[in-house]
Amino acid sequence: AQTVTQSQPEMSVQEAETVTLSCTYDTSESDYYLFWYKQPPSRQMILVIRQEAYKQQNATENRFSVNFQKAAKSFSLKISDSQLGDAAMYFCAYGDRDDKIIFGKGTRLHILP
Amino acid sequence: NAGVTQTPKFRVLKTGQSMTLLCAQDMNHEYMYWYRQDPGMGLRLIHYSVGAGITDQGEVPNGYNVSRSTTEDFPLRLLSAAPSQTSVYFCASSPGTGIYSDTQYFGPGTRLTVL
Repeated sequence: AQTVTQSQPEMSVQEAETVTLSCTYDTSESDYYLFWYKQPPSRQMILVIRQEAYKQQNATENRFSVNFQKAAKSFSLKISDSQLGDAAMYFCAYGDRDDKIIFGKGTRLHILP
Repeated sequence: NAGVTQTPKFRVLKTGQSMTLLCAQDMNHEYMYWYRQDPGMGLRLIHYSVGAGITDQGEVPNGYNVSRSTTEDFPLRLLSAAPSQTSVYFCASSPGTGIYSDTQYFGPGTRLTVL
């Protein structure tokens, strides 16, 4: 069965600094998608970034980028120039052709002013 | 567009009571989902639907029923609430290019407490 592991329950970063959130997953599939979702205190789930497994190029969305290592089954999220509004719970998620979406348990990110 | 809406935002039930959590989307999305979020557990899929009239079970379906009579609506029913169903419930939708690949759009959530 597929699993998604976020090994850092909480992290802190100084405002304007860079932080990397880790995510590993386990699968025997070759074709799948990976996602990072953000959940601020409002509880709203917001898509941050999306990566197709067949693409070697790492996805980037403004200050957010991923380091996708398919062989290592690793999918980390890098946030550059951290802002106070980035404070949230971040969830890594995996989707495969068996119509399953698996979420990790989340990493709570604190931004220190 | 309102996106994905959920009602109510909060609800307290007694054990054994029934209730329906409502979810509606105005984006003409084919796929809709129900998740529950528990502390330290992330989100877990309860049920999902790939179109009107079609539903399927997710990871934790026991104690919940769903139906999909229209594209817009996907209600979640608790027939006999139990304290173990205390959770935050999220509804989501996606355009329908494929469950595994679609970006999902989430509602604001419903916080349910069962006493």
